[in-house]
Formats: sequence, C-alpha cells, structure tokens
Amino acid sequence: DGGITQSPKYLFRKEGQNVTLSCEQNLNHDAMYWYRQDPGQGLRLIYYSQIVNDFQKGDIAEGYSVSREKKESFPLTVTSAQKNPTAFYLCASSTRGGDTGELFFGEGSRLTVL
Amino acid sequence: KQEVTQIPAALSVPEGENLVLNCSFTDSAIYNLQWFRQDPGKGLTSLLLIQSSQREQTSGRLNASLDKSSGRSTLYIAASQPGDSATYLCARVGTGRRALTFGSGTRLQVQP
Repeated sequence: DGGITQSPKYLFRKEGQNVTLSCEQNLNHDAMYWYRQDPGQGLRLIYYSQIVNDFQKGDIAEGYSVSREKKESFPLTVTSAQKNPTAFYLCASSTRGGDTGELFFGEGSRLTVL
Repeated sequence: KQEVTQIPAALSVPEGENLVLNCSFTDSAIYNLQWFRQDPGKGLTSLLLIQSSQREQTSGRLNASLDKSSGRSTLYIAASQPGDSATYLCARVGTGRRALTFGSGTRLQVQP
C-alpha cells in the first residue's frame, strides 16, 4: 500500500542530544513537509522540500535541520539548539509543489525531552 | 500573515444530529482548501479537498463547501455517529509554495 511512514512513533531524548526523525514515502510525491503540533495549537511548518536536493525553511526552522537526498526520504534532525523540542511531529507529502496538490500525512512521531 | 480560524473549538452532539464545522481565512486568494480528521495521538487523514475553482465536494456523509468571496469553508456532517468523534482541521493552500496554513481544529464528540 502507498503511504507515508514515520519512525520512531515515540522517542525520548535527554537534553543536549540531537535526534533524527525518519519520514519515508512511496507515493512518488515531489513535495515533502515537516510540521510540529503542540497541544491547543494548529500545525506549524518547520521545513519543506519541493524537489530532491532542495529544501526551504518554514515558520519555525530554528533548532531543526533536514536533508532531501532521495525523493522518498525527508529526515528531520532536532538539534540541541531547539529550546522546546517536546512535541508531536508530522511529516506530509503532496503530488505537486503544495500549490494545488492534496496533502497526505504520516502517523506522527512524539518526541519527549527528559 | 495568513490566518485560518476554526469555530467552534469544541462541540458535543448526540448521535444522529447533523452538524456544521466552520473555517474562515483572511486571504481570499487561496488555491485549495483541505479538511482533515485527526484521532488522538495519530496523524491527519485527508477527508475532502476543494480546489479553488470548485464550490463544494462530497464524500459519503461529508460535504464541504468553499466560498472564496467571504473567506469561509464549512464541513457538513450528516447523521453523526460516535465514530465521527475526532478533531477536524482545515488547511488553506495559498499563493506561494509555503502557504499551507492550518486552523487549530474543532474537537468533536458525538455522544451515543
């Protein structure tokens, strides 16, 4: 079945550690996105990528980094510079550059900083 | 900055009722509007996508309308069921490739 796979589902991190969240899609979508969701708030865009080897900062990119070396993969690294990393992270993809394509989401990764 | 507002923030109805969820946006120059459902601790499931040139979309008991002139979209759920209990989010797709803006959602509880 086609879809978006995020791993791990749950992740615990000590302060000062970098962690990487995986996002893989087999939908042959060009565009991929990372969002952060906090309780009582809407989704906020962290990074997005329209094509392989290209990505752009979203609204809250500070303390995060990404790469897009393959079309199907868009990993997100939460660095120690991110001041409040505990959140639910959602990866998404779309058929086109986000202007007209329907957005599909993975099941999310919940990161907790101890 | 583009804003998307969803009203009400929470809604509780008895099973069988028809209900309407509202989504408003400040910029009428949108491309698409997409409605999602989110169950607790889960990702978002796409329900309906309304292209800018369309006025409504239907899927089963769900009907979503789009009125660009007033900056509003509504999601109509007919004959609600306990399984419809979830948070419903709308997202506006605007001009430019990063203009995907989400509302905070409406948390729906359907009482059996």
